[in-house]
Amino acid sequence: EVQLVESGGGLVQPGGSLRLSCVASGFTLSSYWMNWVRQAPGKGLEWVANMNKDGSGEYYVDSVKGRFTMSRDNAKSSVYLQMSNLRAEDAAVYYCARGANYAFQIWGQGTMVIVSS
Amino acid sequence: QSALTQPASVSGSPGQSITISCTGTSSDVGSYNLVSWYQQHPGKAPKLIIYEVNKRPSGVSDRFSGSKSGNTAALTISGLQAEDEATYYCFSYAGSYTNWVFGGGTKLTVL
Repeated sequence: EVQLVESGGGLVQPGGSLRLSCVASGFTLSSYWMNWVRQAPGKGLEWVANMNKDGSGEYYVDSVKGRFTMSRDNAKSSVYLQMSNLRAEDAAVYYCARGANYAFQIWGQGTMVIVSS
Repeated sequence: QSALTQPASVSGSPGQSITISCTGTSSDVGSYNLVSWYQQHPGKAPKLIIYEVNKRPSGVSDRFSGSKSGNTAALTISGLQAEDEATYYCFSYAGSYTNWVFGGGTKLTVL
């Protein structure tokens, strides 16, 4: 079964850091671009970042540039999102999603990030 | 890149058909046949239901169809069922790998 499972979310203070993980199964991670998409409580979907197949290219929404870093380890079938200097507006459910044909083909179940003192 | 524009809500009765619009610009929807649609039930992850304007992934009901005219894409759901009640989001590639944006989402209510 093709599946993505995120982990690493939780409660963090403003200015703090958190590392999200996404483990892929049922397919070869190295064959796909991967994305992070977030959804604040009661709000719509917001694309956060993506990375090409071999990890040599990464792209971010302007609001997280310089604070978030996406990475991947194809040998471990995993992608990561290192988040630092977190703000209240970063609170959201974070989804990893497999990219194909410029669409978000497969989604994980999401991991919740709460930013509060 | 500006967000794609969707109606906030639509409704329909079981068995009817509804259409949700997604309006972009000549830089995104109008330039690429790379519009996708997602269905999200409350508390669940989004699910891809249409890609490349009008293609359905395996397992998605043929009651869902997509189209595009100029800068506006559309999702049509025919034979409405109670299980279709959800929020629907559109997305369009806009010529770069960054600053991708979704539509604001449309909540479908099945009356």
